[in-house]
Amino acid sequence: AQRVTQPEKLLSVFKGAPVELKCNYSYSGSPELFWYVQYSRQRLQLLLRHISRESIKGFTADLNKGETSFHLKKPFAQEEDSAMYYCAPSSGGGADGLTFGKGTHLIIQP
Amino acid sequence: DTAVSQTPKYLVTQMGNDKSIKCEQNLGHDTMYWYKQDSKKFLKIMFSYNNKELIINETVPNRFSPKSPDKAHLNLHINSLELGDSAVYFCASSQWPGQGVMRETQYFGPGTRLLVL
Repeated sequence: AQRVTQPEKLLSVFKGAPVELKCNYSYSGSPELFWYVQYSRQRLQLLLRHISRESIKGFTADLNKGETSFHLKKPFAQEEDSAMYYCAPSSGGGADGLTFGKGTHLIIQP
Repeated sequence: DTAVSQTPKYLVTQMGNDKSIKCEQNLGHDTMYWYKQDSKKFLKIMFSYNNKELIINETVPNRFSPKSPDKAHLNLHINSLELGDSAVYFCASSQWPGQGVMRETQYFGPGTRLLVL
């Protein structure tokens, strides 16, 4: 069965500390992977996708096919990074909806 | 210049009522979606439409009926509202992926907070 796991429901780190939000997936084939972010009471927005290999707001994510992981990382957390982060793998195309993980609430303490 | 808009932003209603949520996108996309975010912040796809045609219906009760009058609009009508329908409903849109591209980025609306009393 296709599955995505974000093991941490809540992650609290101090400002300036490194951040890693974990995402593991269980999908057939070669899924495409996304991280979406939702700031407090705002809409979801794309943070990054693995095929673009970009760094957005200092965040990066490397697809590890051996470990079937797509962890999100940032070397130095900032207070404005506090938000809900959703990992969303997809093996479908077309009009398939995204399958989101349960999300990780990241809190950056001053 | 809002890309994906939803109305209303907040909706408080009594159990048993019928209500609608509207969604419009001005991005020229041909695919639109409805997601439900529950109180635990868990997001789940409900429906997707491509060129006004239903593509996905993810085991949603038939009290929920989406309607797409044109490619830029996807409305959600809910009959006989129940307490468990209380959630935030997000509309999203994307372009049908081109050749060699698995999936296009989805753009989300601001959400509609529905509270059923």
